[in-house]
Amino acid sequence: GAGVSQTPSNKVTEKGKYVELRCDPISGHTALYWYRQSLGQGPEFLIYFQGTGAADDSGLPNDRFFAVRPEGSVSTLKIQRTERGDSAVYLCASSRDRAAGELFFGEGSRLTVL
Amino acid sequence: GNSVTQMEGPVTLSEEAFLTINCTYTATGYPSLFWYVQYPGEGLQLLLKATKADDKGSNKGFEATYRKETTSFHLEKGSVQVSDSAVYFCALRLNSGGYQKVTFGTGTKLQVIP
Repeated sequence: GAGVSQTPSNKVTEKGKYVELRCDPISGHTALYWYRQSLGQGPEFLIYFQGTGAADDSGLPNDRFFAVRPEGSVSTLKIQRTERGDSAVYLCASSRDRAAGELFFGEGSRLTVL
Repeated sequence: GNSVTQMEGPVTLSEEAFLTINCTYTATGYPSLFWYVQYPGEGLQLLLKATKADDKGSNKGFEATYRKETTSFHLEKGSVQVSDSAVYFCALRLNSGGYQKVTFGTGTKLQVIP
């Protein structure tokens, strides 16, 4: 499709498990962002990629969280040893380049940690 | 740091009522300002934007004016419709380490009843 695609749309896992969330940005968009949205809150910045490199990972809450974008297109957010507090909707967004203002969001991956 | 504060919801209005959703910001520098909207079951999408002081963004009957003196970007619509029911997010974009970082408010849920 033409938009940002995120999979899975829903993920239920048990505390302590490992989770991967995938984002397929709009073709040709070099900038990619991950945000986390908890219930009743706005999107909270996690990490920004320009091309293959993580240009700003200052929003990652701790070292259990990691993200990659090996070929400068698809990105994977990885969460190790999940905790109940990780439950949230994880949003991916892309933009044409790092200076382009408009972010195009996917529908998000809802993670529930039991 | 940079932040966005918007009025808490939910806001419930009758169809054809006038809408105002307040948004104020704190930023070091001169940000661009945005309103994003999230319809039920959909991803966030850009509603309107303004890139400098006194600019007015408008789209789908919604308007917001960038007021530097009051650091505000209030969203208004003269006559709301049921289809406007959604969550509205105010956001700012500011240069951060060579890229445009976007910071969101907590969102305001609007419910329009017939």
